[in-house]
Amino acid sequence: EPEVTQTPSHQVTQMGQEVILRCVPISNHLYFYWYRQILGQKVEFLVSFYNNEISEKSEIFDDQFSVERPDGSNFTLKIRSTKLEDSAMYFCASSVNSYNEQFFGPGTRLTVL
Amino acid sequence: AQSVTQLDSQVPVFEEAPVELRCNYSSSVSVYLFWYVQYPNQGLQLLLKYLSGSTLVKGINGFEAEFNKSQTSFHLRKPSVHISDTAEYFCAVRGNRDDKIIFGKGTRLHILP
Repeated sequence: EPEVTQTPSHQVTQMGQEVILRCVPISNHLYFYWYRQILGQKVEFLVSFYNNEISEKSEIFDDQFSVERPDGSNFTLKIRSTKLEDSAMYFCASSVNSYNEQFFGPGTRLTVL
Repeated sequence: AQSVTQLDSQVPVFEEAPVELRCNYSSSVSVYLFWYVQYPNQGLQLLLKYLSGSTLVKGINGFEAEFNKSQTSFHLRKPSVHISDTAEYFCAVRGNRDDKIIFGKGTRLHILP
């Protein structure tokens, strides 16, 4: 069964450094999403992406964040200058269209020191 | 805007006993409703979803949920739990014109032997 994959599973970085989290959505899906879950808290929406542009973003998704689909398979989340409070589990998701269920990847645990 | 309330942060239940995990939502528009499960150290897996039609929805692993529009609830039930059901369960809602999914804070199901 096709699934969303994410790399790396765990990323440790120093505060102020740039990180890129990578996701490979399910191949025939057209809508892509990033969510995050700070330890012990609920899953929060960050951004949705369709047709090579952001379709919706939350207040969390400020200028430090960007998303890109650099080729036909990868979907990336870049954090330009990481802060301690960016430490969280980041989930990528994809869906066939905006009405159907979103399939989530296993997540990347980001630790900012 | 939508919101989701899961009143119980933890629910302990004996193995083979029934369980109900409560979820209430608020929204000014029609919604789609979901339950996701997160097993320890894993990503989010869809248990079941309500899009339209029958208000009783059956999902994987013997779970079911009932959409009650008048009470704005979508409680999750299982008639007999197993030790393997130990996980965090997230209720989620999406507005019918939205991309993003709004998650509740989660309920940790703790199965007692």
